[in-house]
Amino acid sequence: DAGVIQSPRHEVTEMGQEVTLRCKPISGHNSLFWYRQTMMRGLELLIYFNNNVPIDDSGMPEDRFSAKMPNASFSTLKIQPSEPRDSAVYFCASSLGGYRRRQPQHFGDGTRLSIL
Amino acid sequence: TQLLEQSPQFLSIQEGENLTVYCNSSSVFSSLQWYRQEPGEGPVLLVTVVTGGEVKKLKRLTFQFGDARKDSSLHITAAQPGDTGLYLCAGPSQGGSEKLVFGKGTKLTVNP
Repeated sequence: DAGVIQSPRHEVTEMGQEVTLRCKPISGHNSLFWYRQTMMRGLELLIYFNNNVPIDDSGMPEDRFSAKMPNASFSTLKIQPSEPRDSAVYFCASSLGGYRRRQPQHFGDGTRLSIL
Repeated sequence: TQLLEQSPQFLSIQEGENLTVYCNSSSVFSSLQWYRQEPGEGPVLLVTVVTGGEVKKLKRLTFQFGDARKDSSLHITAAQPGDTGLYLCAGPSQGGSEKLVFGKGTKLTVNP
């Protein structure tokens, strides 16, 4: 079975440009999570969706970040305008029903983002 | 704010050695999870511990949840190069949400 698919795997762009990260969750999973990982701060949850509805976006750093989930099989994380401090590895994860059901989160392989 | 502190931050050992890594908090967690992350990949769940004092074994890996449910440990017996990776502990955020709080991890290198 296909796991969580993220694209692109690597993105290098200049400061001020718009960046769009994409995620396809595992079919049938109804919770989707966006994380950011850096050496300094570790793995941080940015936002999560349940049944395509944003439930908690308190981890989104600022208004430059936005996330959408137009349907059960696709989500995007957009940064506009991008800044060098946004450089990190961004992960998408999906699960069946979230932590309350103690279902594991399945992570994609991440997008390594570098903002010059 | 719930925090999970992991130690040591880095660990480099020789193949065949035993090791223990720790995950500590001042907060009580209803459960804790351990993930392993290999370079260039996302974290993969190893185990979930739920009951205070619980011990779970996964081949050469032994996971323990503290009696007070504030800490957990991972012990690896006879480490192998394939055990190399970043070991992360995670627990549910307060308030009953779906959110997970992650520790910063222990980066383990097992040298042949």
